[in-house]
Amino acid sequence: AQSVTQLDSQVPVFEEAPVELRCNYSSSVSVYLFWYVQYPNQGLQLLLKYLSGSTLVKGINGFEAEFNKSQTSFHLRKPSVHISDTAEYFCAVIQGGSEKLVFGKGTKLTVNP
Amino acid sequence: GAGVSQSPSNKVTEKGKDVELRCDPISGHTALYWYRQSLGQGLEFLIYFQGNSAPDKSGLPSDRFSAERTGGSVSTLTIQRTQQEDSAVYLCASSLGVEGGEWVFGPGTRLTVL
Repeated sequence: AQSVTQLDSQVPVFEEAPVELRCNYSSSVSVYLFWYVQYPNQGLQLLLKYLSGSTLVKGINGFEAEFNKSQTSFHLRKPSVHISDTAEYFCAVIQGGSEKLVFGKGTKLTVNP
Repeated sequence: GAGVSQSPSNKVTEKGKDVELRCDPISGHTALYWYRQSLGQGLEFLIYFQGNSAPDKSGLPSDRFSAERTGGSVSTLTIQRTQQEDSAVYLCASSLGVEGGEWVFGPGTRLTVL
């Protein structure tokens, strides 16, 4: 079965520092990949997605992610974070031929002043 | 509607009671999903409906859980004989399918079983 691993449950960083949130998936076949963000006491919001094409995907709020098929990874990056980026980030994957969106356990990003 | 709506937003119930959670998807979205979000557990897939196809129930944790989708639109998730471990936020999402590329989530129903 498809699975998603987010290696870091919590990531604390200082404001204006770069950040990378790691995501690895298990499938060896074609996949679609997503990052969602959940701000405190709010619902899930799509940050970015990879369906096909360029492996570098740009999303909202200055985030980007790179699909690496050989390493089965889809790490999320931002060169300079803000306090307002404090949230929980979820990586999700759909295996080609399926419609089931499977999520990782999430990474809590805390941006400190 | 403009988004996915869920009701109630909060539900407190006693152990052993049955509860029904409702989801109104975005009009025209053919796929509807239910997830459970527990502290530290991420989003656990429960069930999904796609058009008129048989639902994928592979994520339902026990036979106390069931869901239906009427007329290809509104969905109800029912939990019978609730247990304390059922306490969680239950999220609904709808989409146009994979090619549509986006799953839109509702605000969730926070269920507390005393």
